[in-house]
Amino acid sequence: AQSVTQLDSHVSVSEGTPVLLRCNYSSSYSPSLFWYVQHPNKGLQLLLKYTSAATLVKGINGFEAEFKKSETSFHLTKPSAHMSDAAEYFCVVRLSASKIIFGSGTRLSIRP
Amino acid sequence: DAGITQSPRHKVTETGTPVTLRCHQTENHRYMYWYRQDPGHGLRLIHYSYGVKDTDKGEVSDGYSVSRSKTEDFLLTLESATSSQTSVYFCAISSGTGGGYEQYFGPGTRLTVT
Repeated sequence: AQSVTQLDSHVSVSEGTPVLLRCNYSSSYSPSLFWYVQHPNKGLQLLLKYTSAATLVKGINGFEAEFKKSETSFHLTKPSAHMSDAAEYFCVVRLSASKIIFGSGTRLSIRP
Repeated sequence: DAGITQSPRHKVTETGTPVTLRCHQTENHRYMYWYRQDPGHGLRLIHYSYGVKDTDKGEVSDGYSVSRSKTEDFLLTLESATSSQTSVYFCAISSGTGGGYEQYFGPGTRLTVT
């Protein structure tokens, strides 16, 4: 069965340190992959997407993700966390227009 | 920001009453989606539309119906609201063309069924 797993429900880092949010997917073929961010009481905003072009994808606000087919992973990283990065992050797998699977989310906290 | 609005933004209703949520887009995108968001579940697809009058069910469609009579509007109806339908509802749109599979989300509607 196709699925997406966000390995950490909560990640806490200090401001200025690197961020790593982990996502693994299960699919019988290469899907489209996305990361979205949701700030409190807001809708979801697209951070970046992978659609079978470059495996290293750059997004907004300094985030990037690397697609690793052999590991079925699409981890999200940022070199230096900022207080404004505190939010919920969702990894999403698109298999078709009707089959879009959301991970359960990772809450990122930033310590001053 | 993509032009997506949802109305109402907040609603409190009683069990057994019908409720309709509206999603309106100004982007002329083909695909429109309704999701619900509950703690620990991420977003789950209720229904989606791939064109005017073309709709299909998602994974949690029981108790919900939708209609799309024109490109810009996608309505979600709870025929007889239940407490289990208390949730935050998000509408999303997607062009689905030229690799544009990403979705753009509305601000959400917080529905409370008492």
